[in-house]
Amino acid sequence: QVQLVQSGAEVKKPGASVKVSCRSSGNTFTGYYIHWVRQAPGQGLEWMGWINPNSGGTNYAQKFQGRVIMTRDTSINTVYMELNSLRSDDTAVYYCAREYCTSSNCYADWFDPWGQGTLVTVSS
Amino acid sequence: EIVLTQSPATLSLSPGERATLSCRASQSVSSYLAWYQQKPGQAPRLLIYDASNRATGVPARFSGSGSGTDFTLSISSLEPEDFAVYYCQQRSSWLTFGGGTKVEIK
Repeated sequence: QVQLVQSGAEVKKPGASVKVSCRSSGNTFTGYYIHWVRQAPGQGLEWMGWINPNSGGTNYAQKFQGRVIMTRDTSINTVYMELNSLRSDDTAVYYCAREYCTSSNCYADWFDPWGQGTLVTVSS
Repeated sequence: EIVLTQSPATLSLSPGERATLSCRASQSVSSYLAWYQQKPGQAPRLLIYDASNRATGVPARFSGSGSGTDFTLSISSLEPEDFAVYYCQQRSSWLTFGGGTKVEIK
């Protein structure tokens, strides 16, 4: 059973950076795309981008280009999402999610399972 | 960017009733649409992908339909655990989510 385990809550000041980790257990880590999705308090879901843990290739939503960096460490089955120049409106729960796979197919842009979420609070 | 508009924002129903949720895309997404369920304090869960395919382990009371710009998620008979927020998501052009529909107990 695949599980994604994220790092703990963070409190940051405006202008700072945050780096959230997402560790995969129970399967071949490098074979599956990992996406990052965030959710501001009481709001909907917002896709940020994906990383291919095998190649390290990334694709970022236009809104976050230049401010987000997704990386991976295959030796410990972990991907990272770093968001720079934080603002108060970056306060949100950040989720990692793996591409969805059935017994016969994988679908790069559907998400399941998800990590438990990491609350990032940006406040002076 | 493709905008997904979900309606209604809130649906008040009783257990055992049928729920019908709508998702409309600003341009055609073919069948590249999914539905997720999110309960308070939890991560979302994939219910339906490619408009009409149930994800592994999803009960048969959940069904999805539609193509192009108009999509529907139906819950045939609401169970107590189905009261939650539901989001649609498209992957036709980049990836975007709808604003969500809250299904609450009447």
